[in-house]
Amino acid sequence: DAGVIQSPRHEVTEMGQEVTLRCKPISGHNSLFWYRQTMMRGLELLIYFNNNVPIDDSGMPEDRFSAKMPNASFSTLKIQPSEPRDSAVYFCASSLARRTSFGPGTRLTVT
Amino acid sequence: QQPVQSPQAVILREGEDAVINCSSSKALYSVHWYRQKHGEAPVFLMILLKGGEQKGHEKISASFNEKKQQSSLYLTASQLSYSGTYFCGTEMHGKAAGNKLTFGGGTRVLVKP
Repeated sequence: DAGVIQSPRHEVTEMGQEVTLRCKPISGHNSLFWYRQTMMRGLELLIYFNNNVPIDDSGMPEDRFSAKMPNASFSTLKIQPSEPRDSAVYFCASSLARRTSFGPGTRLTVT
Repeated sequence: QQPVQSPQAVILREGEDAVINCSSSKALYSVHWYRQKHGEAPVFLMILLKGGEQKGHEKISASFNEKKQQSSLYLTASQLSYSGTYFCGTEMHGKAAGNKLTFGGGTRVLVKP
């Protein structure tokens, strides 16, 4: 099993630029989650999908953040425009039958 | 609502025991425990679904008291590999789909030789 795959693993960008994070969930998993982790705020759930449909996006901090899941094997999280306070590690996770597996994360630095 | 974990940090000698607590102000459907090592992703340890249920992983076990809305993680005869940050993730009753987890602030565990 390949596990959850995320790309890129590291992203450094300048304030104002668009950032797109990508995720491939584990095959067969029917739920997908985007989390953000910072020292100050810990692990925060941004949005989650069930069977490719967004269920809860109440954690998305602002309109600058958007997420899509066009099919069962791919999801994106986009930040446009990016700001320094968006710097964090972004994890994608997928689950089946309540067992959730995390991807390796994307470390985003916005300067 | 974010669950509250205690203690925030604990230092152990190899072979010692520790308990990490996770409390919620809301009724819970399940509690999930994860361990995260520095620079890595959280790794699933176990899930507890029923009140009073106990589960185990290596010499790590956990209990879930549904009435008290809390769970405890027990590190028994700790090993160096147990070092990391432990997170509890809670799932509320009545959610429509998927298993939305809200994570606690984490407990840092350092096991020394």
